[in-house]
Amino acid sequence: DGGITQSPKYLFRKEGQNVTLSCEQNLNHDAMYWYRQDPGQGLRLIYYSQIVNDFQKGDIAEGYSVSREKKESFPLTVTSAQKNPTAFYLCASSIEGHLLTDTQYFGPGTRLTVL
Amino acid sequence: QKEVEQNSGPLSVPEGAIASLNCTYSDRGSQSFFWYRQYSGKSPELIMSIYSNGDKEDGRFTAQLNKASQYVSLLIRDSQPSDSATYLCAVQFSGGYNKLIFGAGTRLAVHP
Repeated sequence: DGGITQSPKYLFRKEGQNVTLSCEQNLNHDAMYWYRQDPGQGLRLIYYSQIVNDFQKGDIAEGYSVSREKKESFPLTVTSAQKNPTAFYLCASSIEGHLLTDTQYFGPGTRLTVL
Repeated sequence: QKEVEQNSGPLSVPEGAIASLNCTYSDRGSQSFFWYRQYSGKSPELIMSIYSNGDKEDGRFTAQLNKASQYVSLLIRDSQPSDSATYLCAVQFSGGYNKLIFGAGTRLAVHP
């Protein structure tokens, strides 16, 4: 099956810990994205990557880091510098990121809770 | 600041009625518009995309775009209880890569 997978589904973090959220896609998409969703709010872009070994900050990158060593994978690390990390994290991918008709598809999400 | 506005709802409609969801956006140069459906606790799933002024129909769903008024809407005909969800409007703003700005969503409740 083609698609986007995220793991884990639920994640609990203690204060001061770094945690890494996994995102994998087998759609052969070049572009990948990370969003954060808080209750009652729209999705906000954390980081995006249009090609392997390259990524750019989105609107709320502070306290997060990413890597893009493989086309299929775009892991997100939530560092201890992120002051309010409790949220629903969504990974998305699209064919290439520039075309007018480029469409983003979402993985199932990871719900992160800080204890 | 580039914004996408949606009425948060809830929009309550009876089963079989037409649900009308609206979205306005701030960037006149925007070219691409998307509607996603999000069930509670789940990730967004694409319903429709629209790029040209006018209507685009797909089954029970019709997207309407008016770039002059900076307005995009989604009509759901013959609404079913399974349509109860939050509907997110997303707009690709002009310039550079495919950056989507999402509205906060409209919660739709279809009651039997």
